Amino acid sequence: DPKIIQKPKYLVAVTGSEKILICEQYLGHNAMYWYRQSAKKPLEFMFSYSYQKLMDNQTASSRFQPQSSKKNHLDLQITALKPDDSATYFCASSQDMEAPLFGEGTRLSVL
Amino acid sequence: GQQVQQSPASLVLQEGENAELQCNFSTSLNSMQWFYQRPGGSLVSLFYNPSGTKHSGRLTSTTVIKERRSSLHISSSQTTDSGTYLCALDNNAGAKLTFGGGTRLTVRP
Repeated sequence: DPKIIQKPKYLVAVTGSEKILICEQYLGHNAMYWYRQSAKKPLEFMFSYSYQKLMDNQTASSRFQPQSSKKNHLDLQITALKPDDSATYFCASSQDMEAPLFGEGTRLSVL
Repeated sequence: GQQVQQSPASLVLQEGENAELQCNFSTSLNSMQWFYQRPGGSLVSLFYNPSGTKHSGRLTSTTVIKERRSSLHISSSQTTDSGTYLCALDNNAGAKLTFGGGTRLTVRP
């Protein structure tokens, strides 16, 4: 059974709309992350959270907002979607600063 | 400039051949992590290797910090090894990894 659950697996959105990507981990980890992989760039770090608090933000745009309602949840809200946002978004988690484990990803296509 | 560079970008092998994938980095290193990305996109962690050599079945990872490089050796390749291999640098900034562009491996029967 997957320990890091990302929903949905595939998502199609229209330009200008808003979507929420869901991530839950059942590993008991205290840190969670979002990464993005687009066709044009290597997999890149976006955010890190530790104990539900933002630790690092490498995303320039405020259209990307992580949301942590529970300690094992880190959702990603994306507003005013653009075609360039099309990518696979990976959630990951770790215990403290150990090597992270990754979810299966949500593949987002913005038309 | 790019902190982590992988080579080759792509590689085609006949089943049974060996492969050597390279990862060079330009910043300080806490550890190097190697991943296999399945054709469907999911990531599988292969090695967490701060230095030296580690083995797992047909895979061997070697990290040489002073030379700023890490390598992944695949012996006796199989068609199921096909996919993309990613290295990722952990430069002591927690689990914030900096990924290379990947090596796309195709193993033909």
